[in-house]
Amino acid sequence: DAGVIQSPRHEVTEMGQEVTLRCKPISGHNSLFWYRQTMMRGLELLIYFNNNVPIDDSGMPEDRFSAKMPNASFSTLKIQPSEPRDSAVYFCASSKGGTSGSTWDIQYFGAGTRLSVL
Amino acid sequence: SQQGEEDPQALSIQEGENATMNCSYKTSINNLQWYRQNSGRGLVHLILIRSNEREKHSGRLRVTLDTSKKSSSLLITASRAADTASYFCATDSLNNAGNMLTFGGGTRLMVKP
Repeated sequence: DAGVIQSPRHEVTEMGQEVTLRCKPISGHNSLFWYRQTMMRGLELLIYFNNNVPIDDSGMPEDRFSAKMPNASFSTLKIQPSEPRDSAVYFCASSKGGTSGSTWDIQYFGAGTRLSVL
Repeated sequence: SQQGEEDPQALSIQEGENATMNCSYKTSINNLQWYRQNSGRGLVHLILIRSNEREKHSGRLRVTLDTSKKSSSLLITASRAADTASYFCATDSLNNAGNMLTFGGGTRLMVKP
């Protein structure tokens, strides 16, 4: 398996532009997570999907952020309009899901998308 | 606030020495995991310890868990320059309805050759 695939790896955009980050989870995984990592705030969970359904989006900063998972093999995180404070590395991760307390909780991370908003 | 807090925030040692990192958490858990992140990369799972386990080994890694103190430690023995990375603990929660993990702030380990 190729692992979790994220695209693009790097994105540089200007303030006010729309940004779309993409993620392909590991085949057979039922849970998908979007994280944001910055030096100041560390690793933050933005949103979590289980079986393509958003379960917890309490970490989404504001209405400018939206995420979708139209099928089991694809998810997007969109920022519209983007702002300089959105500059960060965005990670997608997936796990098998299932009964908590098992190895199905292990998350597999993509290589991340480094976003710079000028 | 974060569920897991690592200590120290940064650690610098010589190759061959042992490195110990600690993690404290706040709520009851099902399991605790340790992850590693190399610069510019995503996190990679290292080891998982369940709440009913006290110690676990994997190669040069040794993890302990003390649920009464809500703390865990990660020991890397005979460190190598290639162990230079950031290390994160992650916890689920007994109250967690799903499979979410909460990550700590990480320990940045530098192993000097």
